[in-house]
Amino acid sequence: QKEVEQNSGPLSVPEGAIASLNCTYSDRGSQSFFWYRQYSGKSPELIMFIYSNGDKEDGRFTAQLNKASQYVSLLIRDSQPSDSATYLCAGGDNNAGNMLTFGGGTRLMVKP
Amino acid sequence: DGGITQSPKYLFRKEGQNVTLSCEQNLNHDAMYWYRQDPGQGLRLIYYSQIVNDFQKGDIAEGYSVSREKKESFPLTVTSAQKNPTAFYLCASSIKWGTEAFFGQGTRLTVV
Repeated sequence: QKEVEQNSGPLSVPEGAIASLNCTYSDRGSQSFFWYRQYSGKSPELIMFIYSNGDKEDGRFTAQLNKASQYVSLLIRDSQPSDSATYLCAGGDNNAGNMLTFGGGTRLMVKP
Repeated sequence: DGGITQSPKYLFRKEGQNVTLSCEQNLNHDAMYWYRQDPGQGLRLIYYSQIVNDFQKGDIAEGYSVSREKKESFPLTVTSAQKNPTAFYLCASSIKWGTEAFFGQGTRLTVV
């Protein structure tokens, strides 16, 4: 059973701080990883994806992947109250036809 | 305006009735997916289709059925065999299997 694990939170950070969201996965066959943001009652929206070890930056967001440790993270710099949402991590497994497996999500609260 | 359209947004069903949720995309994506989300939970895969006229069961297919007769359409039928159908249903598509998926706005189904 492939699993993607996230701390459900809530993770509370003050406005302007760096929010660090973490995700671990059990399947070493996972090759691609995706971060989605989901506001309450809404559908998930894609923030970033990462395929290679290391960091990938896009604006205030940085995704980090460490395949040896089976660990993916999302850093949000200069957090804003509008970043308050649930963040879903998903992993894709090439050996299973890139089946996407989602974690349960981490709820982030950014306090003004 | 390209995107993924799910309808209806809210749906009420009596116990014992089948109901069909619509999902249409005009993004020319090959792959389409149906997920279920329960309150405070992550996404669980119901069915997926990598290409037109083909679909596969996901992790929780029992009580559901799908068809993929057209590339742009992937309707989901929730049958009376689904014992606990009240949930938020999300349709997604990706340009090809395994790449980043984009979601529709979701259908919230309530059994009354």
